[in-house]
Amino acid sequence: DGGITQSPKYLFRKEGQNVTLSCEQNLNHDAMYWYRQDPGQGLRLIYYSQIVNDFQKGDIAEGYSVSREKKESFPLTVTSAQKNPTAFYLCASSIRLAVNNEQFFGPGTRLTVL
Amino acid sequence: RKEVEQDPGPFNVPEGATVAFNCTYSNSASQSFFWYRQDCRKEPKLLMSVYSSGNEDGRFTAQLNRASQYISLLIRDSKLSDSATYLCAVNTNTGGFKTIFGAGTRLFVKA
Repeated sequence: DGGITQSPKYLFRKEGQNVTLSCEQNLNHDAMYWYRQDPGQGLRLIYYSQIVNDFQKGDIAEGYSVSREKKESFPLTVTSAQKNPTAFYLCASSIRLAVNNEQFFGPGTRLTVL
Repeated sequence: RKEVEQDPGPFNVPEGATVAFNCTYSNSASQSFFWYRQDCRKEPKLLMSVYSSGNEDGRFTAQLNRASQYISLLIRDSKLSDSATYLCAVNTNTGGFKTIFGAGTRLFVKA
């Protein structure tokens, strides 16, 4: 089955620790995205990538980093510099980075900072 | 003013009712529009794209009003399984790619 997978589903970390969230897709999509969702709020774009070895900051990139070494993979690192990291993190992909391309989401990772 | 706004609801409707949601956007250069459905603690799933001419998929109809800068979603003959949060998304590519989601409208369909 084609789709997007994210792991882990739940993640707990202590303050001051970096943590990396995994996102893999086998849809052969060029573009990938990371969002965070807080209770009662819409999704906010953290980073996006148009193609391998390329990525751009979204609206709330501070305290996060990404890499895109393979087409299938777009991991997100939440660093200790992120002031409020507890949130629901969603990865998405689309065929290309084009405004009319629909985005498809993975099941998400819930990160809790203790 | 938020760039994309939705009435948070909740909308409580009986089975079989017709219900409509709006989503307003502030950037007149916005180019593409989408409706997603999100169940509690799950990821958003694409419901439908919104085209200038409007589009329909079974009980769901989406429309775009560029003059007034809003999109709408109409659900006819509501089912219990339609209970969810409905998110709108607006994409632009002016000055760089941008996608903005509304905070969502909660719908409860009651028996």
